[in-house]
Amino acid sequence: GQNIDQPTEMTATEGAIVQINCTYQTSGFNGLFWYQQHAGEAPTFLSYNVLDGLEEKGRFSSFLSRSKGYSYLLLKELQMKDSASYLCALEGYQKVTFGTGTKLQVIP
Amino acid sequence: DAGVTQSPTHLIKTRGQQVTLRCSPISGHKSVSWYQQVLGQGPQFIFQYYEKEERGRGNFPDRFSARQFPNYSSELNVNALLLGDSALYLCASSVDNLSYEQYFGPGTRLTVT
Repeated sequence: GQNIDQPTEMTATEGAIVQINCTYQTSGFNGLFWYQQHAGEAPTFLSYNVLDGLEEKGRFSSFLSRSKGYSYLLLKELQMKDSASYLCALEGYQKVTFGTGTKLQVIP
Repeated sequence: DAGVTQSPTHLIKTRGQQVTLRCSPISGHKSVSWYQQVLGQGPQFIFQYYEKEERGRGNFPDRFSARQFPNYSSELNVNALLLGDSALYLCASSVDNLSYEQYFGPGTRLTVT
């Protein structure tokens, strides 16, 4: 089976940088997703990491370490619209397993 | 281009009833996955279909079933509804069953009373 852990909630200030961590236990996976989900809306794709290391995409970056069972999503220059839930998910064995998500609140 | 569409948007059913949810993938996408999302939780994988065949199944009881049509649209059926089936049901489409990038529809909010 697969187990994914994320902090339940985080608060950060507009303009700042925030790191959302995700740890997992799994017997194997192809890659790790990060999704953003605003309240009442569907998840939207942010990133997909297959190899270890950091992948940068604009204000968002995602990191994966397979040996440590660890990933993080880094959000820079936070904006109020970044207030949302951020979901970590593992893809493998023809299914995607999501964590419970981290609710990020950006404050002025 | 239209994104993933789902119908209905909202639905209220009574315990014991049956429900059918519908999903139309993005044009050109041949794979559809279904997820159940309970409030405050992440989506839980139910099924993946590709080329009209089931390619993956999550840990859901046999009351849950699905199918995919020749035009790649899909239906999710839930029989003998329980109160615990109340959730947002999300459909996601991808180009094929090997593509990692999924696009989610707006979901169907099912309430079982």
